[in-house]
This record gives sequence, structure tokens and C-alpha cells, in this order.
Amino acid sequence: ETGVTQSPTHLIKTRGQQVTLRCSSQSGHNTVSWYQQALGQGPQFIFQYYREEENGRGNFPPRFSGLQFPNYSSELNVNALELDDSALYLCASSSGLVETQYFGPGTRLLVL
Amino acid sequence: GENVEQHPSTLSVQEGDSAVIKCTYSDSASNYFPWYKQELGKGPQLIIDIRSNVGEKKDQRIAVTLNKTAKHFSLHITETQPEDSAVYFCAAREIALAGGTSYGKLTFGQGTILTVHP
Repeated sequence: ETGVTQSPTHLIKTRGQQVTLRCSSQSGHNTVSWYQQALGQGPQFIFQYYREEENGRGNFPPRFSGLQFPNYSSELNVNALELDDSALYLCASSSGLVETQYFGPGTRLLVL
Repeated sequence: GENVEQHPSTLSVQEGDSAVIKCTYSDSASNYFPWYKQELGKGPQLIIDIRSNVGEKKDQRIAVTLNKTAKHFSLHITETQPEDSAVYFCAAREIALAGGTSYGKLTFGQGTILTVHP
């Protein structure tokens, strides 16, 4: 186990709703990266947080947003949910911006 | 941006055989290449990684080789066991810049489903 935890483990939402996913980083890690993994695909980078600021973003629309807290835990918020947002959302923590990333178990989101 | 291609998409071997998974990347600026193993219902688990200043790295039954000129890297698993069965992902990291600060975006391959038959 990596020590990275995520909550909830899974949830179901309807189209147009908003969702917040949470991640607690491994002890000693100050950087959190978020990824979206569609079924049968590799993870896709959403964004990375370092020292409570977004520090790099992938090809995702602004309705995907996040926060990092002083204890380095992080939240991913998705507004106006679409059916295609159904996926496994993974967070990964690391001890720096370009250090090895260790993944949590993920949150499986289903949008109906 | 970076693009990573991974082959094969599925691989079936007998217990004790070797397994090889290959990846190619497009951005010559990438300098870090991790491999992750993902079991059903779990997040990816780092199994080995290599940086661009070395050509090979080994950890017990697992090894990774890197050819920077050809921009490809491979995972080698020897003496496979049924518990090696999982989805394996390669990834490449480009040192991207945002506002003058680098960030570590991993670009993943499409994954290889490895099945080891007892």
C-alpha cells in the first residue's frame, strides 16, 4: 500500500450535478496530481497541485477544478457532470513536482 | 505533447515463461519512465522506473531497458507467476513548464493485460 487514500470509493451522480472527490497524500509528500482513467484506458493527467496552487494542467475543461490544503490533502471538483465523466479518478502524491508518483486506490464515478 | 504507444494490448504466457512489454514515446525531452501494475479494483502500483541517464535497471525478476535514440523502452518479467497477472502501464514524463515552474505530468500508454496461466 502507498499510504495515499481517496474518498469516497465509488459514487453515482446524474448529469448536470456537481461532485467533490478527496485525496490524502502520503506522509511527507507535498504534491498531488489527479488523473482520470476511463474504462480500458491509461490514466489521463488532469492537473497537479503544489503548495496549495495548481501547477500544471492537462487537456480538461475549467469545470474540472481543485484545491490543495495546508496539510497537502486535495480535492477534485467537477461541475455540470456529463456522461463521459464516468471514470476512475486517481490521485497520486509525490515528494516534489517531478518526483515519483504514488497512486491511491481511486474513486469510481458513474454519471447517469 | 508527449504520446506513448504500448504493445501488445494483451499477453498470455505460461507460468515460468518470460513476458516482454514494449513502449515508444514521441518527445525526446522526456527523461523519466515508470512502469505501473494495476490489479482489478486498485490503483496503479509502481513496480520499476528508469531515468534517461541509464540504459537498464533490474529488480529481482523485473527489468526495464531504455533506448533513447529509438525512443522506446521495455519491461521484462522473468519466471512469471500467476500473481503477476494484471494490467501493466508504461508512462513517460516530460518536464513541462507552467509559469516558469516545471511540473511532472505522466503520459501513459494504453495498457497491457498480462495473464499468466498456472
